[in-house]
Amino acid sequence: KQEVTQIPAALSVPEGENLVLNCSFTDSAIYNLQWFRQDPGKGLTSLLLIQSSQREQTSGRLNASLDKSSGRSTLYIAASQPGDSATYLCAVRIDYGGATNKLIFGTGTLLAVQP
Amino acid sequence: EAQVTQNPRYLITVTGKKLTVTCSQNMNHEYMSWYRQDPGLGLRQIYYSMNVEVTDKGDVPEGYKVSRKEKRNFPLILESPSPNQTSLYFCASRAGAWHEQFFGPGTRLTVL
Repeated sequence: KQEVTQIPAALSVPEGENLVLNCSFTDSAIYNLQWFRQDPGKGLTSLLLIQSSQREQTSGRLNASLDKSSGRSTLYIAASQPGDSATYLCAVRIDYGGATNKLIFGTGTLLAVQP
Repeated sequence: EAQVTQNPRYLITVTGKKLTVTCSQNMNHEYMSWYRQDPGLGLRQIYYSMNVEVTDKGDVPEGYKVSRKEKRNFPLILESPSPNQTSLYFCASRAGAWHEQFFGPGTRLTVL
């Protein structure tokens, strides 16, 4: 059974610091991995999608890496800002056969960037 | 603007009173899903649809119904809501099986 873990559960950093969020998964047979951001009581905003054949994806100050063999992904945020404060979720997509696949979510990392 | 919309955004109701949460996407996506999010349990899939008239159960389908009569719409129906269905609900869509998933803004449902 695929399990997705995010450590730490919460992180507080001063503004301007570079930081790394971690995501690990138990089964390396994934098709892709997606990082999301969720503001309190709000919907999920897609940040980056990495296909299983890719090693990394970049969008602005965000860089996500994927190491399938070790079951790990990292989300790097450069020059953090208070507006980056949110919960960050990673999710892996796995195949259940036929046309059925599923997105398995981690429990998230709550990030607070202090001004 | 490409988006997934849900209505209502907030709903307080009483046990047993049927309700429908609507979901619509304007991206011509094939796949649509419903999730619920609860503290400590994370996001769990309720139902999903791979195309018009094609739906299947997710992890927690009990007490819910869905329909997909049009490609853009995927309503979630609670025939007889109970307090354990109090939750934050999200609709999501994506273009294909392995594509990026987009989420709606959420519907916070309270069942008294």
